[in-house]
Amino acid sequence: NAGVMQNPRHLVRRRGQEARLRCSPMKGHSHVYWYRQLPEEGLKFMVYLQKENIIDESGMPKERFSAEFPKEGPSILRIQQVVRGDSAAYFCASSPTTSTSSGNTIYFGEGSWLTVV
Amino acid sequence: QKEVEQNSGPLSVPEGAIASLNCTYSDRVSQSFFWYRQYSGKSPELIMSIYSNGDKEDGRFTAQLNKASQYVSLLIRDSQPSDSATYLCARKGNTPLVFGKGTRLSVIA
Repeated sequence: NAGVMQNPRHLVRRRGQEARLRCSPMKGHSHVYWYRQLPEEGLKFMVYLQKENIIDESGMPKERFSAEFPKEGPSILRIQQVVRGDSAAYFCASSPTTSTSSGNTIYFGEGSWLTVV
Repeated sequence: QKEVEQNSGPLSVPEGAIASLNCTYSDRVSQSFFWYRQYSGKSPELIMSIYSNGDKEDGRFTAQLNKASQYVSLLIRDSQPSDSATYLCARKGNTPLVFGKGTRLSVIA
């Protein structure tokens, strides 16, 4: 059973370019979460999505950041006009569709490390 | 006001000792609590979850939850050098998981 798949694992972008990070949840999971981890910092929640719906985007910066989880295909986190402060590890996580207590557990992908030069 | 607080460490313990990691939270509606382990440059890995007051044991790990005191802890018995990592405490209430900044544990051989 494949885990949460993220790509690319490492991405280098120049200031002003766009970064696009992809995440495929675990099989049977339809809830996707994106977290950002700055160097020496904790994980910060960004956005929670289900298929074709953004459920909670309270952690997303107001500008340049967007996320989607289409009916078909992976979830995508898009960062437009990147700046050096966007350099971080971006983790995707997924959880099952059930509402049991175990359904609260989220499982992380390996992360995408973005470096803005 | 920080929602989940952890001592950043580093916490150093000798090999074979018990490592005690602590976490407090401020949100009284939190229902579920989780401990993740994160090695440097890697993704967080779930160690344990706990939902009810009391202790929950899994191998060398014991999670303890006290909702009245808004306190959750993780004990690691017989600590090994391979346990050296950052341990993240997380809580879930009506929002997705909120994480503390983590405690760095160093097990000295």
